[in-house]
Amino acid sequence: QKEVEQNSGPLSVPEGAIASLNCTYSDRGSQSFFWYRQYSGKSPELIMFIYSNGDKEDGRFTAQLNKASQYVSLLIRDSQPSDSATYLCAPPGGGSYIPTFGRGTSLIVHP
Amino acid sequence: NAGVTQTPKFQVLKTGQSMTLQCAQDMNHNSMYWYRQDPGMGLRLIYYSASEGTTDKGEVPNGYNVSRLNKREFSLRLESAAPSQTSVYFCASSDLGQGTPPLHFGNGTRLTVT
Repeated sequence: QKEVEQNSGPLSVPEGAIASLNCTYSDRGSQSFFWYRQYSGKSPELIMFIYSNGDKEDGRFTAQLNKASQYVSLLIRDSQPSDSATYLCAPPGGGSYIPTFGRGTSLIVHP
Repeated sequence: NAGVTQTPKFQVLKTGQSMTLQCAQDMNHNSMYWYRQDPGMGLRLIYYSASEGTTDKGEVPNGYNVSRLNKREFSLRLESAAPSQTSVYFCASSDLGQGTPPLHFGNGTRLTVT
């Protein structure tokens, strides 16, 4: 079983809508979670991180962590076409500090 | 501040040829990583170096070797390239001493093996 599971999508939402991206993980010891955004042909870039249960907000982005359910999500409010990218969930894997990446969810925001 | 620099950006090899991918970071990070990314497979760790002088295998190390030349540089070598090694390769670094740090990625090397 892969340690990190993401729906590969594509997830298509209209401009201005809320996009919800989800990630489940198998390592109960994971303490922190990163969300990376990757535009087509580019390298991943960090957009959010969350360490504790609950929500963390940064502008239009909200990360939600539920350790009991081993579930982390990223909400993008007021989605823009420029948000169209692949979003990678990355908790440290195997009890170590090394990020283990999900396959990523492709998001398409259409005007 | 250049961050993480990878060379070359593109490379085409014939089966059996060898090459070295170069990576350098100027952020004084102690940890460096090599990932490959294939369509539908996400990022997979090839090798990593937790600190200068140490290297360890990741998820997909077969066919690769690495050298941590100094704190700044971490190279990836393909001794005998195979078509299965056609991929996009990303080098990354992190400051391991600061909790669980995020990764900083280079721009990638797009390798095609024919």
